[in-house]
Amino acid sequence: SQWGEENLQALSIQEGEDVTMNCSYKTYTTVVQWYRQKSGKGPALIILIRSNEREKRSGRLRATLDTSSQSSSLSITGTLATDTAVYFCATDSVSGSFNKLTFGAGTRLAVCP
Amino acid sequence: GGIITQTPKFLIGQEGQKLTLKCQQNFNHDTMYWYRQDSGKGLRLIYYSITENDLQKGDLSEGYDASREKKSSFSLTVTSAQKNEMAVFLCASRRDSAETLYFGSGTRLTVL
Repeated sequence: SQWGEENLQALSIQEGEDVTMNCSYKTYTTVVQWYRQKSGKGPALIILIRSNEREKRSGRLRATLDTSSQSSSLSITGTLATDTAVYFCATDSVSGSFNKLTFGAGTRLAVCP
Repeated sequence: GGIITQTPKFLIGQEGQKLTLKCQQNFNHDTMYWYRQDSGKGLRLIYYSITENDLQKGDLSEGYDASREKKSSFSLTVTSAQKNEMAVFLCASRRDSAETLYFGSGTRLTVL
């Protein structure tokens, strides 16, 4: 899983496989966001899950959230080579401010064709 | 749609030099951010600004200054570049009370 000062994790899989990435966060949040960063680009939001949702789907993406264990997961089914990227989870600060978003260390996913 | 433009894309400086990174957004967003991304690490917040002329320190503000003279622009100054701060600097913005952050493509800093 990824958070804070931990080092970025790396996964390498074959195209067509399914993959799950985990994220554990340290402070209360009302929403977990998952961002994808492709090489040479800034991160971009791919899916967002709120504290009152246990699961959220968007195409081949599925996010889960367990507020009791402060953990979230992102699954990608039927991966494509174009899914190769770094994936970050992010949460808003415990103060409830929408102004500060804290990112995990990320998971570097390589999907081999 | 909108875009966040960061300049320059690559910045090479000498140790001890003062260096400025610029960011412009045309989303008309209220809040803007500067993050630092070190190789193999997550994004760490340097400064953010919730409106024009507002500045808030993040977790990594020491050694940096920021300026938000206009709503659309947010600049970051490395006050004295050090070799251990070679990294990618990412600018981002979002609408006040909204959740999604929009990022620029980054400025890669190299210190010789």
